[in-house]
Amino acid sequence: RKEVEQDPGPFNVPEGATVAFNCTYSNSASQSFFWYRQDCRKEPKLLMSVYSSGNEDGRFTAQLNRASQYISLLIRDSKLSDSATYLCVVAPTGANNLFFGTGTRLTVIP
Amino acid sequence: GEEVAQTPKHLVRGEGQKAKLYCAPIKGHSYVFWYQQVLKNEFKFLISFQNENVFDETGMPKERFSAKCLPNSPCSLEIQATKLEDSAVYFCASSQFGNSYEQYFGPGTRLTVT
Repeated sequence: RKEVEQDPGPFNVPEGATVAFNCTYSNSASQSFFWYRQDCRKEPKLLMSVYSSGNEDGRFTAQLNRASQYISLLIRDSKLSDSATYLCVVAPTGANNLFFGTGTRLTVIP
Repeated sequence: GEEVAQTPKHLVRGEGQKAKLYCAPIKGHSYVFWYQQVLKNEFKFLISFQNENVFDETGMPKERFSAKCLPNSPCSLEIQATKLEDSAVYFCASSQFGNSYEQYFGPGTRLTVT
């Protein structure tokens, strides 16, 4: 089983829509969780860190459910510029590197 | 600097040739990580450093891959005798406090082995 699993999509949504991505992780001792976005094979850019039960940054809300071992990302009022691949990333306790999901592709349509 | 810098942007090597990639972490960041991204967005961890010391090298194919982070020099990742399957984008990331904290990525080096 992979350390981090995501639905690869693609998600095609109209501008203004609300879209949610889920991600599951296998190591119950994981402590740190992140969402990165990646455009057209450029470098991943940190979107949000998820350290506790969840947090919000403008149109973006990240939630962590430790009991079910999943993390979600909610994007409200989607913009064309939100089109990208969203990577769920987990840092298991005791590991010295990050584990990446394969990413969820989002396309926001005018 | 304020960003992770990686050179070169693109590198083309014939099978069997050597490839060397460079990374300068964000100033003040003690940790450096190297990742390989192949098709389908699969990220593979290669090696990490805490300052000039190897922190974790469990991802490194040791026969042909080596890496260094020396004081006052960019970190480097070297591949001896490249193979076709080494074709990938190699990302370097740096972090101020270590693995459990945010990592910031450089623009990557796209290696093509022909």
